[in-house]
Amino acid sequence: AQSVAQPEDQVNVAEGNPLTVKCTYSVSGNPYLFWYVQYPNRGLQFLLKYITGDNLVKGSYGFEAEFNKSQTSFHLKKPSALVSDSALYFCAVRDDGGATNKLIFGTGTLLAVQP
Amino acid sequence: KAGVTQTPRYLIKTRGQQVTLSCSPISGHRSVSWYQQTPGQGLQFLFEYFSETQRNKGNFPGRFSGRQFSNSRSEMNVSTLELGDSALYLCASSRRTADTQYFGPGTRLTVL
Repeated sequence: AQSVAQPEDQVNVAEGNPLTVKCTYSVSGNPYLFWYVQYPNRGLQFLLKYITGDNLVKGSYGFEAEFNKSQTSFHLKKPSALVSDSALYFCAVRDDGGATNKLIFGTGTLLAVQP
Repeated sequence: KAGVTQTPRYLIKTRGQQVTLSCSPISGHRSVSWYQQTPGQGLQFLFEYFSETQRNKGNFPGRFSGRQFSNSRSEMNVSTLELGDSALYLCASSRRTADTQYFGPGTRLTVL
């Protein structure tokens, strides 16, 4: 069965510093990986996805993610954090290798950016 | 282009009642999925619909049901509400199965 793990409940970073939010995955077959962000009292906003191709995926709001097959990781990164980036971040994997829309989510990582 | 809309945004019900939540997908999107978000269980998949057919169903009791209409709008129904059904219910749409899903703002259901 497909799964993702987000090992950190919270990540703290100072504004202007680079940020990394970690995600590891376990899949049978090709991974279809996603990052979403959730602001308080809001739904999930799509940031980026990896289906195939380049290991460095660029997404919305200056975020990017690095796919590493050997380490089964898909970490979210941003070169310079903003206070407005403070939110809950979810890593997700599509179940059944892409034949369904069912997403399996990690437990989420709360990103806190201090001014 | 308008995003996914969900109505109502907030709902308060009592145990034993039933509730219907509505989702209007992005124009042109034919696939709709529903998720439940709770502090304890996180984000869990409920169902997936495409062209009025249920394609996939999560591990929820039969009290949870859904449907999709010919205009791709979807509803989900929860009967005989329990306290544990209190959650944020999120709807997501995509153009077709296996496309990127875009989420609505959710319906916050509180069961008293």
